Amino acid sequence: AQSVTQLDSQVPVFEEAPVELRCNYSSSVSVYLFWYVQYPNQGLQLLLKYLSGSTLVESINGFEAEFNKSQTSFHLRKPSVHISDTAEYFCAVTTQGGSEKLVFGKGTKLTVNP
Amino acid sequence: KAGVTQTPRYLIKTRGQQVTLSCSPISGHRSVSWYQQTPGQGLQFLFEYFSETQRNKGNFPGRFSGRQFSNSRSEMNVSTLELGDSALYLCASSLAPPTTHEQFFGPGTRLTVL
Repeated sequence: AQSVTQLDSQVPVFEEAPVELRCNYSSSVSVYLFWYVQYPNQGLQLLLKYLSGSTLVESINGFEAEFNKSQTSFHLRKPSVHISDTAEYFCAVTTQGGSEKLVFGKGTKLTVNP
Repeated sequence: KAGVTQTPRYLIKTRGQQVTLSCSPISGHRSVSWYQQTPGQGLQFLFEYFSETQRNKGNFPGRFSGRQFSNSRSEMNVSTLELGDSALYLCASSLAPPTTHEQFFGPGTRLTVL
């Protein structure tokens, strides 16, 4: 079975500051990794994913995440956050070659203050 | 292209009643998954359907059931509602397994059980 741990439930930062949201996973088989974002009263939107290849993946709005197999981590980073990045962020895994079932972490609420 | 739609968006029921939630996937998507989101348990996988067949099922009691129709639309049903069933129910669709593993989420149905 797979599990995902998001180490911080809440992260407050000031606008234009850098941020890192931490994610560790556990799995006995190879996995694919994802970060989703949820704005208030909305569903989840895919932010970025790691399937294979380069371990550093980027999103169109400046976020990046790095897959570290030895540390079983997939931390999300952004060098300079905006007020509009305030949302809840979920790390998730799914097994390679399996179904589409996603196993999610508990989420990290990012609050960007002016 | 229209996104994933879920109806109704909000629902209030009383204990012991049953409820049916509906999900229309993105046109051309054949795989539909359902998730329950609560503050305490986070996001938990309910079921996954592909070509009208249940491919995977989460760890929920038999009161939770679902189905998928030939047009890929899906419904989930919860019978004998309990207070703990109050949650946001999210539906996600994807092209077809194996895929790019990108799931598109609907806005959810907020179920309140009184």
